[in-house]
Amino acid sequence: QTVVTQEPSLTVSPGGTVTLTCASNTGAVTSGCHPNWFQLKPGQAPRTLIYNRDNKHSWTPARFSGSLFGGKAALTLSGVQPEDEAEYYCLLYCGATWVFGGGTKLTVL
Amino acid sequence: QVQLVQSGAEVKKPGASVKLSCKAPGYTFTAYHIHWVRQAPGQGLEWMGIITPIDGATMIAQELQGRVTLTRDTSTSTVYMQLSSLRSDDTAVYYCASERSGGNWDYWGQGTLVIVSS
Repeated sequence: QTVVTQEPSLTVSPGGTVTLTCASNTGAVTSGCHPNWFQLKPGQAPRTLIYNRDNKHSWTPARFSGSLFGGKAALTLSGVQPEDEAEYYCLLYCGATWVFGGGTKLTVL
Repeated sequence: QVQLVQSGAEVKKPGASVKLSCKAPGYTFTAYHIHWVRQAPGQGLEWMGIITPIDGATMIAQELQGRVTLTRDTSTSTVYMQLSSLRSDDTAVYYCASERSGGNWDYWGQGTLVIVSS
């Protein structure tokens, strides 16, 4: 059974840069895993930020970027804003099924 | 950016079934896959399954096989998720989300709260 692991929590200062990662217990994350990243705020539906590793939607702020690094998928926020405080989930396509990571709670402090 | 419209909240007793709906814009209905995802209180997101509206093909998460049925009505651009043999730990917000082929997830529904309680 595939397990996708994210940092449980991270803290960043306003204006700073932070990278969230997403790893699979089955091996390196590749483009074939179609990494997606979602932002989830209390009381709101999830919002897709990044699809297929590094592609942004029209509504994705420019400060968000996706990549592959060190065998993991990564989401980098550059110039963090207070409104970026949220939970972030990655999603991987693993062996014909989709698996979410456990989520990262990002605190902007 | 919510372009999927879901049905309203439900309260069910253990052992019962629930059927939720997700209406997609007609012009995109057959061009997308529709996923179902849930989030239990205090928990993370859980992928439940996918339906391809154009042909009705489905794939269900292994741990939910036998309890989840996904269907669609192309005449109304609506997909349905039925969850049977409800348990208290099925209490969650249920979301539908669309994906263009190739892993391009985009829009989400507003979510439907399902409470399972005796």
